[in-house]
Amino acid sequence: AQTVTQSQPEMSVQEAETVTLSCTYDTSESNYYLFWYKQPPSRQMILVIRQEAYKQQNATENRFSVNFQKAAKSFSLKISDSQLGDTAMYFCARPYNTDKLIFGTGTRLQVFP
Amino acid sequence: DVKVTQSSRYLVKRTGEKVFLECVQDMDHENMFWYRQDPGLGLRLIYFSYDVKMKEKGDIPEGYSVSREKKERFSLILESASTNQTSMYLCASRPSTENTEAFFGQGTRLTVV
Repeated sequence: AQTVTQSQPEMSVQEAETVTLSCTYDTSESNYYLFWYKQPPSRQMILVIRQEAYKQQNATENRFSVNFQKAAKSFSLKISDSQLGDTAMYFCARPYNTDKLIFGTGTRLQVFP
Repeated sequence: DVKVTQSSRYLVKRTGEKVFLECVQDMDHENMFWYRQDPGLGLRLIYFSYDVKMKEKGDIPEGYSVSREKKERFSLILESASTNQTSMYLCASRPSTENTEAFFGQGTRLTVV
């Protein structure tokens, strides 16, 4: 079965601190892509970062970076210098059957001042 | 910018009504999706379309149908709305390229009373 698992329903972090959101997945493929999405309270889902499985280097986008452990099938998101605007639901996702995307159950992140 | 537009942000319908949720994308994407989002369950795929008039059932198609008469428009139809279909509905589009993300609409909060 194709699954994406986010084991942390809720997380909180103080402004300017670092937080890591966890994601594990199941796949039998050797090359694939992984995505982290952010859904702020306004509800528009947007892409945060993507990782290609064959690339050894972890993806980075400004304050957002991933820790990709291919053998462990783990894809965690690290947010550095957290800001109030990072408060949102975060979803981990991966494609399956080429075109579809399967999502995890999400982690609600609250950033406190 | 890619734009995916859902026709309504909030809808209230009565049990037994036929409900249409409309979605339009402006980037000529081949693939379009309807997801349902519920707390603790993440995003679940209802239906998927990979071309005009082509559709595929997702994980939870029961009680729903779809229509894609034009490439840019993908409609979700609740044939006879029930209270257990009260939910957030998200439309997304995505090109047929494995490494690209999906782009989402703003969501429709449907309440069936």
